Amino acid sequence: EDQVTQSPEALRLQEGESSSLNCSYTVSGLRGLFWYRQDPGKGPEFLFTLYSAGEEKEKERLKATLTKKESFLHITAPKPEDSATYLCAVQASTNAGKSTFGDGTTLTVKP
Amino acid sequence: NAGVTQTPKFQVLKTGQSMTLQCAQDMNHEYMSWYRQDPGMGLRLIHYSVGAGITDQGEVPNGYNVSRSTTEDFPLRLLSAAPSQTSVYFCASRKGIDYEQYFGPGTRLTVT
Repeated sequence: EDQVTQSPEALRLQEGESSSLNCSYTVSGLRGLFWYRQDPGKGPEFLFTLYSAGEEKEKERLKATLTKKESFLHITAPKPEDSATYLCAVQASTNAGKSTFGDGTTLTVKP
Repeated sequence: NAGVTQTPKFQVLKTGQSMTLQCAQDMNHEYMSWYRQDPGMGLRLIHYSVGAGITDQGEVPNGYNVSRSTTEDFPLRLLSAAPSQTSVYFCASRKGIDYEQYFGPGTRLTVT
């Protein structure tokens, strides 16, 4: 059974204080790992897809990296508007159509 | 493009009532899924479809039915509502297995 564990559950940062969110996964053949951002009362929005170990993707203050067992979402010099819940999901090569999500990390950035 | 649309946005049901949550997408995506999200938790897959006429169960399918008669629509039916089904329901679509999912705005369901 595919499993995704995200840590920490909640993270509070001061504006400008860089940090990382972790997504550990167990999957039978990783097809892709996805990061989403979810604002309160809204549906998740796509951020990144990573397909193989060693891959990195960047967007503004966010950078996602992937190893064979985990992914990190690095946030550099965060701003209050980066406050949201960040969700990680894996797509296995053996479960067509099924994605498994972690419980998310809720990030709060104080000005 | 409207993307993924869901109706209604809010619904209150009494225990034992049935209803259908509507989901439509205008991106011609083959894959569609229904998730539920409970407070402080991630998304749990209820049912999914890899194309018109093809559906399968996710990790929490009990009490829910789906059908996929067209590429655009993927309704979720609650057969006999129970308080345990109080949750926020999200519909999502994607082009294929390697692609990101696009989510609707959600339906907040309360069962009393």
